[in-house]
Amino acid sequence: SQELEQSPQSLIVQEGKNLTINCTSSKTLYGLYWYKQKYGEGLIFLMMLQKGGEEKSHEKITAKLDEKKQQSSLHITASQPSHAGIYLCGVAYQAGTALIFGKGTTLSVSS
Amino acid sequence: NAGVMQNPRHLVRRRGQEARLRCSPMKGHSHVYWYRQLPEEGLKFMVYLQKENIIDESGMPKERFSAEFPKEGPSILRIQQVVRGDSAAYFCASSPMAAVSGNTIYFGEGSWLTVV
Repeated sequence: SQELEQSPQSLIVQEGKNLTINCTSSKTLYGLYWYKQKYGEGLIFLMMLQKGGEEKSHEKITAKLDEKKQQSSLHITASQPSHAGIYLCGVAYQAGTALIFGKGTTLSVSS
Repeated sequence: NAGVMQNPRHLVRRRGQEARLRCSPMKGHSHVYWYRQLPEEGLKFMVYLQKENIIDESGMPKERFSAEFPKEGPSILRIQQVVRGDSAAYFCASSPMAAVSGNTIYFGEGSWLTVV
């Protein structure tokens, strides 16, 4: 079974609405990164979480890592068309290893 | 401070030819990672290199693919005798030290390989 799952696969929200994207691991992770990707472009770094219970915010985006370090949620407040894109979570299960990525969540924001 | 630079951005190769993708990490970064992205499959890890060393190549196909990160110059991902299934976006990322030691990993814009 898949080690890392993102949900939902895709999401359409109305501009101004809040939304949450989840990233769930089947085992405890060492650290987690959130990225955003526009179609045909590279990945833009959003946030990195490493400590259980850690929460970080950047502008209208907040990400949290649960205490068990097996799930992270990314929350966007008052979504805007500029938030549209693919959100990817990447995790490392051990220090010094490369990131493994989920399949991503495609977000569309309708105005 | 320039970001991770990848070239070429777009590459078209005929079946059987060789493809060489280059990645210049951010200044001061000595760790490089290569990923492949296919539609519907997400971003798949291929290889992790440090200067002159391959740290982890568990995601690299056993044949036709190779990667290097020499002491001087960019990291190179080389695909020999390309087939249609190699068509994908190839992304390079870099970090100053090992990933998740509090270090941000930055990605390049990608190289889109099309095999005809």
